Amino acid sequence: DQQVKQNSPSLSVQEGRISILNCDYTNSMFDYFLWYKKYPAEGPTFLISISSIKDKNEDGRFTVFLNKSAKHLSLHIVPSQPGDSAVYFCAAVGYSTLTFGKGTMLLVSP
Amino acid sequence: GAGVSQSPRYKVAKRGQDVALRCDPISGHVSLFWYQQALGQGPEFLTYFQNEAQLDKSGLPSDRFFAERPEGSVSTLKIQRTQQEDSAVYLCASSWKRVERTEAFFGQGTRLTVV
Repeated sequence: DQQVKQNSPSLSVQEGRISILNCDYTNSMFDYFLWYKKYPAEGPTFLISISSIKDKNEDGRFTVFLNKSAKHLSLHIVPSQPGDSAVYFCAAVGYSTLTFGKGTMLLVSP
Repeated sequence: GAGVSQSPRYKVAKRGQDVALRCDPISGHVSLFWYQQALGQGPEFLTYFQNEAQLDKSGLPSDRFFAERPEGSVSTLKIQRTQQEDSAVYLCASSWKRVERTEAFFGQGTRLTVV
């Protein structure tokens, strides 16, 4: 039973437009959420995080929104760039470990 | 280098062979994690160390999997009598404190193929 779900396996966006990646979770004990970005043949790299006491965190072109009542978070990338093309993983922290979703492959075309 | 280092990058094992995967975390990082990532899936938690103590091994899929971190730095994940379903990328991550409220840094992974 997946506790962190990324229901879109892939997303295609044109350069300059907004990319919105979604993530849903089921475990109410999760209180810290992260987004990781992964290029082929590399390990995931940390992108941005948000604590459950906040509903928004922004870092440059990247903004993460958290809706606790809906158990939903989203990552917005604006403007999207071709270099953003990668697999994006949503992860949640519970007791002491990270639980990951299956990832969404983002393709940003010029 | 300053990042998490894993070796080997690629390992091909014959079914039934034992393998050992090494992780060098970032110096000074207290927490160390092992994850298994199957093709098309997200990383799945295997085990967690805080210094030399293995605090959680609930993700290890069977007793053929064993991990250690004897001196609180380098860690080894050992898989005995490998089977085809063990084929995956094994990721190691470390963080400077407990993972809550901070990110973990991942290595490039070891891709294990069991033939």
